[in-house]
Amino acid sequence: EVQLVESGGGLVQPGGSLRLSCTASGFTFSTSWMTWVRQAPGKGLEWVANIKGDGSEKDSVASVRGRFTISRDNAKNSLYLQMSNLRAEDTAVYYCATLRGAADTRFFDYWGQGTLVTVSS
Amino acid sequence: DIQMTQSPSSLSASVGDRVTITCRASQIINTFLNWYQQKPGKPPKLLMHAPSSLQSGVPSRFSGSGSGTDFTLTISSLQAEDFATYYCLQTHKTPYTFGQGTKLEIK
Repeated sequence: EVQLVESGGGLVQPGGSLRLSCTASGFTFSTSWMTWVRQAPGKGLEWVANIKGDGSEKDSVASVRGRFTISRDNAKNSLYLQMSNLRAEDTAVYYCATLRGAADTRFFDYWGQGTLVTVSS
Repeated sequence: DIQMTQSPSSLSASVGDRVTITCRASQIINTFLNWYQQKPGKPPKLLMHAPSSLQSGVPSRFSGSGSGTDFTLTISSLQAEDFATYYCLQTHKTPYTFGQGTKLEIK
């Protein structure tokens, strides 16, 4: 059974930093693309970042580029999101998910339960 | 960035109704379109991808269609457990973008 468990959320002041973790099990983590998606309270979903299985390719939405870094440790079956210079608008539930695809499709299939990040003074 | 325009933003319907939600992309995305269902306090659940491929375990009353820029999600006969918020997602190009969501409520 695929399981994704996020941790590391909490309350942080504007300008502060936080590292989110996502621990994976039930599938071959090291060959799987992974992604972070966030959802501000009462709002819609926003893709944040992707990383390839071996970590060689990464991409992120412009609003977090230069502040957030996606990474992974395949030996620990773990995905990370290092967040710095946090702003109030980064307040959201952060989900990790698996990203799978083929020639004509690409989708987020398994999701964690999410971890809440609150940026406030 | 590719904009995804989803409609309607909310919808009231009854059990047994047939409902359709549409999503329009601001540029051609071929078949890189997914549909998700989200219930309060829960992560999104993948319903459809490609956009007519039903995810394993999803009831056959859900169906998807479209290609290019215009896509639809249809629920053929609403069940009580279908009342939720639905999102489309394009994965043709990064930044991947979601529609704004359709909240499906009980009439």
